Amino acid sequence: SQTIHQWPATLVQPVGSPLSLECTVEGTSNPNLYWYRQAAGRGLQLLFYSVGIGQISSEVPQNLSASRPQDRQFILSSKKLLLSDSGFYLCAWSARRDTVYGYTFGSGTRLTVV
Amino acid sequence: ELKVEQNPLFLSMQEGKNYTIYCNYSTTSDRLYWYRQDPGKSLESLFVLLSNGAVKQEGRLMASLDTKARLSTLHITAAVHDLSATYFCAVDMSSGGSNYKLTFGKGTLLTVNP
Repeated sequence: SQTIHQWPATLVQPVGSPLSLECTVEGTSNPNLYWYRQAAGRGLQLLFYSVGIGQISSEVPQNLSASRPQDRQFILSSKKLLLSDSGFYLCAWSARRDTVYGYTFGSGTRLTVV
Repeated sequence: ELKVEQNPLFLSMQEGKNYTIYCNYSTTSDRLYWYRQDPGKSLESLFVLLSNGAVKQEGRLMASLDTKARLSTLHITAAVHDLSATYFCAVDMSSGGSNYKLTFGKGTLLTVNP
């Protein structure tokens, strides 16, 4: 069966510090991968998605970047965090065109920038 | 640009009562998903609706999809406290090739009172 792992679960970082969040998927190949952010309040905003190694699409211009160095690994980064980067970050995967199982989300990383 | 609107955004119900959450979306799509989110947690997949007229039921929840009206409903029957959570609908669309991505509604915060 397929599983998605996301870490760390919680992170408190000072303003101006770097960030690296990692997401890995097991039990599948060639997944579509996604990073979402849920800020205070409840909406989910798509930040980045990837359909293959090295292929990254950015949805919102911001202080963050994403990379996909391996087929089942997706990394969210920042060189210098801003207060506005605080939020709940969720990684998700889907099996390309076959969406019978929909999109599966990781357990999330709660980031607080202080 | 795809827009997904949920209503109501806040719903306070008494145990044993029935209610419906509505999800409208702005462009043609035949794939819609419902998720549940408990406080501080990630998203849990409830229903995957893949065609016009699709109806799925799980316990006290039933979801339906009308692609012609661009409308999905999540019906709650005889609510119980355990159903208290935030419910999101999300619509899946392609921006070309394998570039599928999920756009979320703002969520409905459901509180079931004894």
